Amino acid sequence: QKEVEQNSGPLSVPEGAIASLNCTYSDRVSQSFFWYRQYSGKSPELIMSIYSNGDKEDGRFTAQLNKASQYVSLLIRDSQPSDSATYLCAVTNQGGKLIFGQGTELSVKP
Amino acid sequence: EPEVTQTPSHQVTQMGQEVILRCVPISNHLYFYWYRQILGQKVEFLVSFYNNEISEKSEIFDDQFSVERPDGSNFTLKIRSTKLEDSAMYFCASMGTRGENTQYFGPGTRLTVL
Repeated sequence: QKEVEQNSGPLSVPEGAIASLNCTYSDRVSQSFFWYRQYSGKSPELIMSIYSNGDKEDGRFTAQLNKASQYVSLLIRDSQPSDSATYLCAVTNQGGKLIFGQGTELSVKP
Repeated sequence: EPEVTQTPSHQVTQMGQEVILRCVPISNHLYFYWYRQILGQKVEFLVSFYNNEISEKSEIFDDQFSVERPDGSNFTLKIRSTKLEDSAMYFCASMGTRGENTQYFGPGTRLTVL
């Protein structure tokens, strides 16, 4: 069974701290990796995509991919209360369908 | 900024009734998807659609489900005879090209089956 695993949390960090979210996947042929943010009752909103090993930075967000370890992470620098949400890791192969993890709930305390 | 739209935002139906959920993907996109999320659970893939046919479907997408792109803009999901366990948020997503590889989600339709 192809799986994407995340710690469900909640992960609680103080405002201004770095939040670190982790994800592992089981299917070695996965090619594309995504982090979506989901507020309660809302749809997933794309934060970052990453396709090759290493780091990719976009503003306060950095995605890291290690295909050998089948591991993807998301760092959020200078965390804000508005970052409080559930963060979904998703992977896809050539077929295009997204396979989601169960999400990590992040709470940023003022 | 172009976005995926879905109607209705909330649909309440009786068990055994047919429902049609509607989506308008981003206008120049070619790939279309339906996902669902039961309350408190992960987002699950239902079906993908390209070039006017289903390209992949999950085990959830049984004979009670169908999809259609009746015109150049709408993409619909029909559930023929709803069950209590069909209660969920249903998300439509679209993607421009396979090379782009990024799916954009609509706001969802909350389906409640009584």
